[in-house]
Parts: sequence; C-alpha cells; structure tokens
Amino acid sequence: DGGITQSPKYLFRKEGQNVTLSCEQNLNHDAMYWYRQDPGQGLRLIYYSQIVNDFQKGDIAEGYSVSREKKESFPLTVTSAQKNPTAFYLCASSMSGITEAFFGQGTRLTVV
Amino acid sequence: GNSVTQMEGPVTLSEEAFLTINCTYTATGYPSLFWYVQYPGEGLQLLLKATKADDKGSNKGFEATYRKETTSFHLEKGSVQVSDSAVYFCALGGSQGNLIFGKGTKLSVKP
Repeated sequence: DGGITQSPKYLFRKEGQNVTLSCEQNLNHDAMYWYRQDPGQGLRLIYYSQIVNDFQKGDIAEGYSVSREKKESFPLTVTSAQKNPTAFYLCASSMSGITEAFFGQGTRLTVV
Repeated sequence: GNSVTQMEGPVTLSEEAFLTINCTYTATGYPSLFWYVQYPGEGLQLLLKATKADDKGSNKGFEATYRKETTSFHLEKGSVQVSDSAVYFCALGGSQGNLIFGKGTKLSVKP
C-alpha cells in the first residue's frame, strides 16, 4: 500500500538533546513537508522540500533542521535550540505543483 | 498574507443533526480550498476539496462550496453520526505548494 510512514509514534527527549523524526513515502511525490501541531493552534509549517537536495524554511524553522538526500525520505531533527519542542509533528507529501497533501500518522514528541 | 479563519469549537451535536462549520479565507488570487479531518491520535485525512470558484466538493455526505464573493468555504452535513466526531481543519493552498490551515474545530456527536 502506498502512503507515508512516520516513526516513532511517540518520542521522549531530555532537555538539551537532539532527536530525529523519520518520514518515508512511497507515493513517488516530489514535495514533502513538516508541520507542527499544538493544541488549538492548527498546523504550522516548519520546513518543506520540492525536490531532492533542496529545502526551504517554513514559518517556524528556528531550532529545526532537515535533509532531503532521497526522494522518499525527509527526516526532521529537533535540536536543543528549539525552546518548546513538545508537540505533535506531522509529515506530508504531494505531487509537485499540487497542494493536495497526504499526511503520515504523526509523531508525538515530549520533552522530559 | 494568506490566512484561514474557522469557527471555534467545540461543537456538540446530537446524532442526525445538521452540521455547519464556518470557514473564511484571505488570499491573493484563487487558491484551492480543502477540508481535512483528524481523528484522535492520527494524522490528517483529506475530506474534500474545491479548486475554483463555485466548485462544490463533496465526500461521505459532507459538502462545501467555494464562494469567491464571500471568501468562504463552509462545511456542511445534513445528518451527522457518532463516527463523525473528530477535529475538522479548513485549509487553502499556499504559493509554495504548502497548506495554510485554520485552527481546527472539534466536533462531538452524541448518540
């Protein structure tokens, strides 16, 4: 079945640590996105990539980093510089130039 | 910049009641409009979409019409079921292929 797989589903991080969230898609989509969801805040764009080896900052990129070495993969690293990382993180993908996006099941990150 | 405003929840209805969730937008040009649904602990699923003015998107009994004159895309369903309980997000297509979301409306349907 085609889709987007995010892992892990739950992640706990100690303050000061970097963590990497995985996102893999087998839909052959060119574009991939990372969103952050906080209660009552909707989704906010962190980073996006429209082609392999290229990515751009979204609205709230500070404290995050990404890479796009393969078309299928778009991992997100939450660095120690992110001051409030506890949130639900959603990865999405779409065909190039089309905004209809398909979402993964999300990763819930908690700082302990 | 582009933005989406949707009615705040939570919305609580009895089964078989009529549902309306209001959504208005601010945008340059005529972006595509979407409704997504999120069930507890899950990602978002596309519910319906409309790509140009006067288009009506529909799916699973839900409908929304792209109204350019009122910059609105209200979600409606004639008879809700308990299984429709979820959070509903209105969104518009951004210039970078991303989506710009409203804050979401939580719907609870009681038997």
